[in-house]
Amino acid sequence: DTGVSQDPRHKITKRGQNVTFRCDPISEHNRLYWYRQTLGQGPEFLTYFQNEAQLEKSRLLSDRFSAERPKGSFSTLEIQRTEQGDSAMYLCASSHPNTGELFFGEGSRLTVL
Amino acid sequence: TQLLEQSPQFLSIQEGENLTVYCNSSSVFSSLQWYRQEPGEGPVLLVTVVTGGEVKKLKRLTFQFGDARKDSSLHITAAQPGDTGLYLCAGVQSYGGSQGNLIFGKGTKLSVKP
Repeated sequence: DTGVSQDPRHKITKRGQNVTFRCDPISEHNRLYWYRQTLGQGPEFLTYFQNEAQLEKSRLLSDRFSAERPKGSFSTLEIQRTEQGDSAMYLCASSHPNTGELFFGEGSRLTVL
Repeated sequence: TQLLEQSPQFLSIQEGENLTVYCNSSSVFSSLQWYRQEPGEGPVLLVTVVTGGEVKKLKRLTFQFGDARKDSSLHITAAQPGDTGLYLCAGVQSYGGSQGNLIFGKGTKLSVKP
């Protein structure tokens, strides 16, 4: 399978714990995006990378959130001191440099108890 | 305030009926994309429209981009139960937007009953 893959698919954690999600983009895609989606809403932009450079971060990305893409390939999204309001589906997408069209992974669903 | 307004929010129809969903904004977009999302999955791109007035067809789906590039519509002919899902429009603003910041609407949840 050469699509975008995300791990884990589901994560249940207690409030205050740290969680980390991983995204492996399509190999020839240089842009990688993180979105968050809650029930009944469309995806909300969090941040994106071009190669290893983080080019933009949304105001939604508080200090407790950090994303990295150290070698310009896979990316991680860490949430520290999770809160119940962090419960959501975290979607990763990558895009081809020429077309700009996004290909999404299946998402990582976070439940904070 | 939602930058991209989608309507209707929910739509439940019988198999064989036609339907249209709308995506409207007061902002101009350099391109608009339509995605379909099933529960527990990520959105899947259906089409990208880039030129004002453009019409694209994908089997029974017809997509139109408004002349002023502020709105778009998706028309489905003879809907089938397999068309059930959340239809999302998304766009990159022409002015003040970032190339990386694709803005999504809230989506139209379509249910097609056999």
